[in-house]
Amino acid sequence: GMPVEQNPPALSLYEGADSGLRCNFSTTMKSVQWFQQNHRGRLITLFYLAQGTKENGRLKSTFNSKERYSTLHIKDAQLEDSGTYFCAGSRNMGYKLTFGTGTSLLVDP
Amino acid sequence: NAGVIQTPRHKVTGKGQEATLWCEPISGHSAVFWYRQTIVQGLEFLTYFRNQAPIDDSGMPKERFSAQMPNQSHSTLKIQSTQPQDSAVYLCASSVTTYEQYFGPGTRLTVL
Repeated sequence: GMPVEQNPPALSLYEGADSGLRCNFSTTMKSVQWFQQNHRGRLITLFYLAQGTKENGRLKSTFNSKERYSTLHIKDAQLEDSGTYFCAGSRNMGYKLTFGTGTSLLVDP
Repeated sequence: NAGVIQTPRHKVTGKGQEATLWCEPISGHSAVFWYRQTIVQGLEFLTYFRNQAPIDDSGMPKERFSAQMPNQSHSTLKIQSTQPQDSAVYLCASSVTTYEQYFGPGTRLTVL
């Protein structure tokens, strides 16, 4: 299978809704990064995690290396959250990233 | 801090021509990575350098692609005899050795 499975592939939310994205890794990763790719194609880092949970405003991410998954939770979705979200795992610190296939998020008013 | 700089932002080449893409990492970052993004393959790793030394080029196509890092302030990705299937967005990232990677805006290569 794919080294990084990301779900769902697409997601449509109304403003104010909450939802979550998930990545499952076929191999043990030492760290994970979550990105938002905006309409200009720029990859913006949302989180970098080596373990545990981090929060930033309306976003929260968890990484469980042993169970081989990571999640990104979006609370109170806003129009500007629209875009494509990618997770990427690294098998060693400072090593190359293996990307998921992305989640295309559309937030409607 | 200008972030990772990539030039040019867009490049159009004819089939068979050479394309050279430039990346300037964030000052003080010791690792530079190259990735490629296409609709079909998604985001895929090409190659990376640490302290200017090539560490892993396992993602590079065996022919026509080469990468160099002649000094700590820039890296180049060269594609010889470009083919239509080379059309993609080429992304450069840099990092302090063991931490998160910061991405540049990418170079969109179109091979006609």
